[in-house]
Amino acid sequence: DAGVTQSPTHLIKTRGQQVTLRCSPISGHKSVSWYQQVLGQGPQFIFQYYEKEERGRGNFPDRFSARQFPNYSSELNVNALLLGDSALYLCASSFGVSEQYFGPGTRLTVT
Amino acid sequence: AQSVTQPDIHITVSEGASLELRCNYSYGATPYLFWYVQSPGQGLQLLLKYFSGDTLVQGIKGFEAEFKRSQSSFNLRKPSVHWSDAAEYFCAVGENNFNKFYFGSGTKLNVKP
Repeated sequence: DAGVTQSPTHLIKTRGQQVTLRCSPISGHKSVSWYQQVLGQGPQFIFQYYEKEERGRGNFPDRFSARQFPNYSSELNVNALLLGDSALYLCASSFGVSEQYFGPGTRLTVT
Repeated sequence: AQSVTQPDIHITVSEGASLELRCNYSYGATPYLFWYVQSPGQGLQLLLKYFSGDTLVQGIKGFEAEFKRSQSSFNLRKPSVHWSDAAEYFCAVGENNFNKFYFGSGTKLNVKP
C-alpha cells in the first residue's frame, strides 16, 4: 500500500504570496495532521482534521488554514507568506485515535 | 502547557556501543508517547509507541524505550548501534484525545566507525 503522499516536493514563493500544499493519506486513514518543521527544530503541530472537521489547532496565525475533502485528502493554505514560513511542511495520517504516519514533506522556501 | 524536552542536541557513539537518548515530557494526564527517526531529507518514521500497559516497549530496528511516570521520562535505548542508525531522533507526546501532538527539538546521532 502507498504511504502518505505530499505535493509538491519543493516550492519557492515570494513574500506576500499564497501557497497551497496537498496531502493524500494512507488508504483507510480518516485523520490528517499538518506540521511545520523549521530547519534544526522539531515538527510543530499546525492542524488536525478528522472526518473533514478540524479537531485540533496549534499556535499558528490565521494566515494558516486547511481543509479535508470527502476522500480524506487535505490541503494546507498559507496566505501572505513571510520569510519565517520557510520550512518543511509535513503531513501525517492516522486511522482514528492512533499513531501517525508521516509523508516525505514539502520544502517551502520563501524569498 | 504540554512540552517535550530532549536535552541532548547531538550525541556521538561508536558503532557497536550502547545508546540512550533522553526524553522528558510535561503533561497532566497519562500521555501517549512516541519515538520517531528522521533521516536527512526524509519524513519521520515511527520507531515505537507507548499507550498503556508494560512500561518497556519494543520497537523496530532493535530499539526499545521505557516509560517512567515518576520521572516523566521516555528514554530510547539500543544495546548495539549500527552505522545506519545515524539520523535525528524525535520524541513526541500526544494528548489523550489525540487531537494535538508535541515534538521535542530532536537529538542528532552520529555513529563513529
